[in-house]
Amino acid sequence: DAGVIQSPRHEVTEMGQEVTLRCKPISGHNSLFWYRQTMMRGLELLIYFNNNVPIDDSGMPEDRFSAKMPNASFSTLKIQPSEPRDSAVYFCASSWLGNEKLFFGSGTQLSVL
Amino acid sequence: GIQVEQSPPDLILQEGANSTLRCNFSDSVNNLQWFHQNPWGQLINLFYIPSGTKQNGRLSATTVATERYSLLYISSSQTTDSGVYFCAVEPTDSWGKLQFGAGTQVVVTP
Repeated sequence: DAGVIQSPRHEVTEMGQEVTLRCKPISGHNSLFWYRQTMMRGLELLIYFNNNVPIDDSGMPEDRFSAKMPNASFSTLKIQPSEPRDSAVYFCASSWLGNEKLFFGSGTQLSVL
Repeated sequence: GIQVEQSPPDLILQEGANSTLRCNFSDSVNNLQWFHQNPWGQLINLFYIPSGTKQNGRLSATTVATERYSLLYISSSQTTDSGVYFCAVEPTDSWGKLQFGAGTQVVVTP
C-alpha cells in the first residue's frame, strides 16, 4: 500500500488567499484525521471523520477552516482566507476504526506570507 | 483535559547506548501509541500499546495502564534513531481523539 498520500508537500501563499490541502487515506481505513503541528502548540487534532462523516471538529481554530470528505478515498482541508499565523505543517492520518493504529502522511508545509 | 507528560525532553546518546523514554498520563485511556518523527518530519507509528509489552527489533515498549505510564526502550542506538519520539493517548471519554505529548528529542551521535 502507498500509505497516506498528501498534496502538495509545500505551499507558499500570500495572506488572504485560499489554500486547499488534499489527502488520500490508506485503502480500507474508515477513519481520517487532520492534524496541525507548530513549534508553539505541538501536534493538534483539527477534525476527524468516520465513514466520511465529520465526528468532531472542535479543534478547527476558526470559521476560516473547513474540511470535507466526499468519499472514502479523498479529503480536503481548506483555509479561506489564509493568515500568516496559519503557517504550520498540516498532517493527514488514517486508521481502521478511529482508535486503532494511526498512520500519518508526509505532511504539507504551509507558509502564509 | 488529559495531560500527557514525556521525559526527558531532550536526550543525547552515543551510538550503541541504550535509553528509556517515559510517558505519564493523567487519566484513564483507551489506547496509547508511540511515534517517531524523523529529521525529515515524517511521523512513523512505532507501537500501538494500550497495555502490556511489545517488541519491534531494537525497540520495545511497555504500558502499565493502571499506573498511567508507558516506557519506550531503545537498545543499541543508531544514528537513524535520531528524531522526536511522541507518546499519544486516547482518553476513555474521547473516542478517536489522540492527545499527543510534547515529545522527547533524541540525538544519537556517531
